[in-house]
Amino acid sequence: GQQLNQSPQSMFIQEGEDVSMNCTSSSIFNTWLWYKQDPGEGPVLLIALYKAGELTSNGRLTAQFGITRKDSFLNISASIPSDVGIYFCAGITGGGNKLTFGTGTQLKVEL
Amino acid sequence: NAGVTQTPKFQVLKTGQSMTLQCAQDMNHNSMYWYRQDPGMGLRLIYYSASEGTTDKGEVPNGYNVSRLNKREFSLRLESAAPSQTSVYFCASSKTSGRGGVSYNEQFFGPGTRLTVL
Repeated sequence: GQQLNQSPQSMFIQEGEDVSMNCTSSSIFNTWLWYKQDPGEGPVLLIALYKAGELTSNGRLTAQFGITRKDSFLNISASIPSDVGIYFCAGITGGGNKLTFGTGTQLKVEL
Repeated sequence: NAGVTQTPKFQVLKTGQSMTLQCAQDMNHNSMYWYRQDPGMGLRLIYYSASEGTTDKGEVPNGYNVSRLNKREFSLRLESAAPSQTSVYFCASSKTSGRGGVSYNEQFFGPGTRLTVL
C-alpha cells in the first residue's frame, strides 16, 4: 500500500522553541490532514488542507499543502508543555475517503 | 454531542474467542471506519463504510468482519481472535461533502479499544 514518510520520528525541544515536521510520499494526495494523539486517547484533528500550496493556521499551528501534492509540513510556534504528544499526518488520494497515515512524530518538550 | 463513542475501552481475550467492538457516532456522518494501531506505527484501515448499507475492505481486513447496523453504528467483529490481533482499535466517522470541485473529508476518532489476545 501507499506509505507516508514522516520526519523526524521524535524530537526533544525546549519550551518556547518553534517546531517543524514534515510528511512526504511518492504518491499524489488530494487532501492532507494533521492529527495529534495524546497517550491513551484517539487522534484529534488539528488542521485540514485541500488545495496544493494552501497554508492554514490554527492558533500556534501552521500547516502547508506542498505544491507538488506529495508533501505537507506542520509548524508549531512557541511550544508549550501541552504540545507533548504524537503528531500524525494523513492523506487521501483521488476522490475517495480512505486515509493513509504516517508513522508519527513524537514531540517531547523540556521545561 | 458525544462525537464518536466506543465500547468496551479494554478487553482481554483468549486465542479462539470471539467478540464484537461497538462504535456509534451522533454527528450524522455518512462514513465510518475501523482502524488498528500497533506500537511505533500509524493507524491502518481495517474496514470502512462509505454510507449506510455498504462496507469495503481496507488495508488489513483479514480476520475481521464488520456490520453497518444503521447510520449511527458500525461494529467490528473478531470471529476467532489471534495474538496478532492484539492492538488498539479506533473507530472514526466523517461527513464527505464537496464544493467548488473540492472533496472535504475530515475524519473524527473515538477514544479507542485496547484489546489483548492471549
